[in-house]
Amino acid sequence: DSGVTQTPKHLITATGQRVTLRCSPRSGDLSVYWYQQSLDQGLQFLIQYYNGEERAKGNILERFSAQQFPDLHSELNLSSLELGDSALYFCASSVASAGVKTGELFFGEGSRLTVL
Amino acid sequence: GDSVTQMEGPVTLSEEAFLTINCTYTATGYPSLFWYVQYPGEGLQLLLKATKADDKGSNKGFEATYRKETTSFHLEKGSVQVSDSAVYFCGGGAGNMLTFGGGTRLMVKP
Repeated sequence: DSGVTQTPKHLITATGQRVTLRCSPRSGDLSVYWYQQSLDQGLQFLIQYYNGEERAKGNILERFSAQQFPDLHSELNLSSLELGDSALYFCASSVASAGVKTGELFFGEGSRLTVL
Repeated sequence: GDSVTQMEGPVTLSEEAFLTINCTYTATGYPSLFWYVQYPGEGLQLLLKATKADDKGSNKGFEATYRKETTSFHLEKGSVQVSDSAVYFCGGGAGNMLTFGGGTRLMVKP
């Protein structure tokens, strides 16, 4: 158990809809990262927050947005969903802002989104 | 931008065989390099890491050495077990972004 909690574990919805994925980081971790894992794209970095502020942005679509709340949990909002958005969405957390330098990212089990 | 290239799978081996999964990283600087493992139904877990050239990361019988000249970080294990069956991701990071390769699925047969 990594200590990172993601909900829901599975979600099925229709095209055009909007969903929210939630992540609770490990206790004490200030950074939250979102990744998308799809069969054809591999594991893609979406966005990072540190203590409530956006720190880095990757290949995140304009239809997607995220935020980190004062209690440090984070939400990823996906809107106007398309079939191609079907994927496994991972949240990871680390203590520091530059967590990747030490490699200590702790991943949740993911939220599997299916868009029909 | 930064990119990670690792060998495509699946890789199928018999138990006790030798494993090599190749990984190279392209970046403007000298990133830290990592191997993560994803077991079925789980998130990624850090397997090993190296933060500078010539560093060797090791864990659970797996090893990888950071080769500066080629920015490579090939994963090796002398004798794989069925329990090593998983997807292995090579990653490189500097600053706030950790970039992963496409993953290599390893299947070990008894």
